[in-house]
Amino acid sequence: QITLKESGPTLVKPTQTLTLTCTFSGFSLSTSGVGVGWIRQPPGKALEWLALIFWDDDKRYSPSLKSRLTITKDTSKNQVVLTMTNMDPVDTATYYCAHSTMTTGLAYWGQGTLVTVSS
Amino acid sequence: DIVMTQSPDSLAVSLGERATINCKSSQSVLYSSNNKNYLAWYQQKPGQPPKLLIYWASTRESGVPDRFSGSGSGTDFTLTISSLQAEDVTVYYCQQYYTTPLTFGGGTKVEIK
Repeated sequence: QITLKESGPTLVKPTQTLTLTCTFSGFSLSTSGVGVGWIRQPPGKALEWLALIFWDDDKRYSPSLKSRLTITKDTSKNQVVLTMTNMDPVDTATYYCAHSTMTTGLAYWGQGTLVTVSS
Repeated sequence: DIVMTQSPDSLAVSLGERATINCKSSQSVLYSSNNKNYLAWYQQKPGQPPKLLIYWASTRESGVPDRFSGSGSGTDFTLTISSLQAEDVTVYYCQQYYTTPLTFGGGTKVEIK
């Protein structure tokens, strides 16, 4: 059974750096073809993909946010960490992590964590 | 980037009737080497993460009711709910995973007429 869970602060101040951790079980991020991605959703708005890290440590980022994002993995801990610098109120959103393969896309999602950016 | 355009933004359908949602990609998401379309459909209920319904444009995810079906190829895709049930009233998204950046449509809200 594949599960993912996001953790991190619920409130950050403008200009601060956000660090989110995705802790997963039921699969290994060292298995060929597997990735973990981050997606966010501002309240009442559509989904926006942020970043993806693959089993071979290949990393992909949203072009519009690339300068602010860093994604890393710790295979031994079954964790993926996303950092986003210089947070702004427009970054207020629910942040999801998801299991990714080139077969099914984003088949398994965490429950999401709401991050509010406010002073 | 591949832009995904969904239509309509919302639609109202009577219970038991057919609901059809369209999704158009700005370039083909068909991978010629395996003839697979890298297009997925998700259902998202309020306060919940998206749930995968369909992948490879037409393959139903395990456990998804057979009233949900996906069709299309290349740049034009459709999600059909053959007989709308009350529990289907929510928002649906298409997404391409042919290439990064992964991109989603803007969503279609399905309501009861």
